[in-house]
Amino acid sequence: SQQGEEDPQALSIQEGENATMNCSYKTSINNLQWYRQNSGRGLVHLILIRSNEREKHSGRLRVTLDTSKKSSSLLITASRAADTASYFCATVAVDGGTSYGKLTFGQGTILTVHP
Amino acid sequence: ETGVTQTPRHLVMGMTNKKSLKCEQHLGHNAMYWYKQSAKKPLELMFVYNFKEQTENNSVPSRFSPECPNSSHLFLHLHTLQPEDSALYLCASSQEYFSYEQYFGPGTRLTVT
Repeated sequence: SQQGEEDPQALSIQEGENATMNCSYKTSINNLQWYRQNSGRGLVHLILIRSNEREKHSGRLRVTLDTSKKSSSLLITASRAADTASYFCATVAVDGGTSYGKLTFGQGTILTVHP
Repeated sequence: ETGVTQTPRHLVMGMTNKKSLKCEQHLGHNAMYWYKQSAKKPLELMFVYNFKEQTENNSVPSRFSPECPNSSHLFLHLHTLQPEDSALYLCASSQEYFSYEQYFGPGTRLTVT
């Protein structure tokens, strides 16, 4: 399986509800990033969490990182219809003891928020 | 608006055509990337340029030819493509090679007929 796998593959919720997406990875990482992609458009960087951080907040976004379980979660609180998009996690692997590794994307979670 | 622009936004080409995709970043970044996004597959890294020098070629077929004349511009030259090359091609840039968040352009939707 791939580095950076998101779960679930698709999520459908009502406006105002919280949305939680999970990401698992396999190798040691320098950092993990979450991106959003609106249909057929480019990716937009949401948040970056470093391997020595456990939790990070940005507006309605909350990201957690558990390096012992090699997993991360993205929580969007009080969701809005405009949050409808695909969400991807991406990891920067530690390569040979340096922090310069490749950014590897998962397949993403498709989030639909119904008005 | 991320500061990364791509042209054209849509392209339809036959298998014998030659075309080029263009990417420009206005962010003063040093690294630029080409990705391919196909349906139901993760984003695939194709090429990386760091300070105008190609540092990664992820086993991409030679019918895709990148060019980076300066750190603000990146091209992807296409020739004799196959229908399976139809995809969304995304350009991205970052301050430094891989270590920082990447800023993506809107992509070029390529259809090969």
